[in-house]
Amino acid sequence: RKEVEQDPGPFNVPEGATVAFNCTYSNSASQSFFWYRQDCRKEPKLLMSVYSSGNEDGRFTAQLNRASQYISLLIRDSKLSDSATYLCAVSYSGGYQKVTFGTGTKLQVIP
Amino acid sequence: NAGVTQTPKFQVLKTGQSMTLQCAQDMNHNSMYWYRQDPGMGLRLIYYSASEGTTDKGEVPNGYNVSRLNKREFSLRLESAAPSQTSVYFCASIAGQGYYEQYFGPGTRLTVT
Repeated sequence: RKEVEQDPGPFNVPEGATVAFNCTYSNSASQSFFWYRQDCRKEPKLLMSVYSSGNEDGRFTAQLNRASQYISLLIRDSKLSDSATYLCAVSYSGGYQKVTFGTGTKLQVIP
Repeated sequence: NAGVTQTPKFQVLKTGQSMTLQCAQDMNHNSMYWYRQDPGMGLRLIYYSASEGTTDKGEVPNGYNVSRLNKREFSLRLESAAPSQTSVYFCASIAGQGYYEQYFGPGTRLTVT
């Protein structure tokens, strides 16, 4: 089983739709959780850190479920500019700060 | 404040040639990482440096070496390039000490023929 798993998609959604991605992780010692956005042929960029209480940033909401070992990302009112690949990342301190990435979920927002 | 910079942006090598990928960060971060990204494989850790003066192997270290030259710079060397090393290489850094968000450089697209 992979340490971090994501549905690769693609998710094709119309503008204005709400879309949710899930990401599961296998290491129960994981401490920190993140969502990154990666545009085609670009580097990953931090979208949100995921806190245990859940957090919201504008149209984006991230949640953590430690009991079931998954994190989620909800995007409301999707824009064309949201089209990208979304990577989840999980880290824990095991001698160094090890960060494991999922393979990403591709989102295509269509007009 | 440039963040994480990488050079070169693109490179084509012949099998057996060597090269060094350069990475520098100006955020005073402690930890630095080298990843490769291949279609369907996600980001895979090649080497990391938890702090200045230390380096260690990641998930896919074979065929690579690294140097943490100082706190700012972390280079990746391919001694004898192989077609299997065709990939996009990203350098990243983490502040550490409670801050674990990773910041990435723009990447190097390497093709080995």
